Amino acid sequence: SAVISQKPSRDICQRGTSLTIQCQVDSQVTMMFWYRQQPGQSLTLIATANQGSEATYESGFVIDKFPISRPNLTFSTLTVSNMSPEDSSIYLCSVLTSGAYNEQFFGPGTRLTVL
Amino acid sequence: RKEVEQDPGPFNVPEGATVAFNCTYSNSASQSFFWYRQDCRKEPKLLMSVYSSGNEDGRFTAQLNRASQYISLLIRDSKLSDSATYLCVVTANAGKSTFGDGTTLTVKP
Repeated sequence: SAVISQKPSRDICQRGTSLTIQCQVDSQVTMMFWYRQQPGQSLTLIATANQGSEATYESGFVIDKFPISRPNLTFSTLTVSNMSPEDSSIYLCSVLTSGAYNEQFFGPGTRLTVL
Repeated sequence: RKEVEQDPGPFNVPEGATVAFNCTYSNSASQSFFWYRQDCRKEPKLLMSVYSSGNEDGRFTAQLNRASQYISLLIRDSKLSDSATYLCVVTANAGKSTFGDGTTLTVKP
């Protein structure tokens, strides 16, 4: 298994500002992801955070809006830029462990409210 | 059509009941299958992996039918603590997971 921590756990931000969310894992993992879960909905993959290279974004998500860093195998950041109320959501960091059956673990999430 | 579809729910059952959730997926190249549980205002947590041969963990039984692209979760002798949203998760190449919308279960005394 993997233990994942995220900071901040929650924040209330003003429209037009940016917030950077940190994700720390207790062990080295190859694959890290960032998800969003909007109220009452399931999880949507934003991007795969690649160590040492640019993140791979899913359809509908772009680097200018959600820049991601992955400086090493245990840490990643997601920035939500130029926020609007539509960005209010829970943002979750996730890692995939290796083994016979890859299992995915999630951080506790960052609850973001944009006013 | 969504890549992963689940019973819309909600399911409201009495304690001790048996309840079954169904899930279908559209990507025939999917490689790994899981059921996650998400409690209110918490992150999803892995409940169990789903194997082609079927697997059981206590009161929980998961089955996979690759030919029909169908996954199921059976909960026997429901407990109040089983109340949660259950997410069907399908993983394709490069570890990318697709989540179903979830099925909400409420177990009542």
